[in-house]
Amino acid sequence: GQQLNQSPQSMFIQEGEDVSMNCTSSSIFNTWLWYKQDPGEGPVLLIALYKAGELTSNGRLTAQFGITRKDSFLNISASIPSDVGIYFCAGTIYDNTDKLIFGTGTRLQVFP
Amino acid sequence: SQTIHQWPATLVQPVGSPLSLECTVEGTSNPNLYWYRQAAGRGLQLLFYSVGIGQISSEVPQNLSASRPQDRQFILSSKKLLLSDSGFYLCACSKPGQFNYGYTFGSGTRLTVV
Repeated sequence: GQQLNQSPQSMFIQEGEDVSMNCTSSSIFNTWLWYKQDPGEGPVLLIALYKAGELTSNGRLTAQFGITRKDSFLNISASIPSDVGIYFCAGTIYDNTDKLIFGTGTRLQVFP
Repeated sequence: SQTIHQWPATLVQPVGSPLSLECTVEGTSNPNLYWYRQAAGRGLQLLFYSVGIGQISSEVPQNLSASRPQDRQFILSSKKLLLSDSGFYLCACSKPGQFNYGYTFGSGTRLTVV
């Protein structure tokens, strides 16, 4: 089935640093979504993107829908300890199903 | 907005015992419903999804089954648990025809099979 390649797999950064992660696919996506999962909780939607080239911010988070429609990027500025968690990208393609395709996740650790 | 109730939060079960995890949805009718499993520190594996009562699609051949006896109720079951069934189980929902707006996830059940 479809897969989304998400990188890096994990990141260990110091508080205050900026973070970048991305998601790529060999297929064209119609929607890109970014989720955050706190330890022991379910993922929560952070940002949704619906048009190629779209750039959307949510506080310190900024995400972009790649112009080729095959990738998306998430940036976190000035990281803080509560940014710790797993970040998942997800997207939709035209496949006649009601399913999101999820990336493999990026685990973020922030050290004070 | 949608709310998912998932229980129990934690479960320890012996090998060979049955399993029943329940998920209910508030705030939307005829939701799409999904069961995911997540191994420790890993990604989300889709197990089952349902677009209506009695309609279940299985994604992965396994020791588990799912049922949707009511519009907003989704149940994950097993007759005999295996050690490999341990993991974090998440229920999710989306509004009908609006899955591209994202899923709402429950808080999960951590299952340990011993």
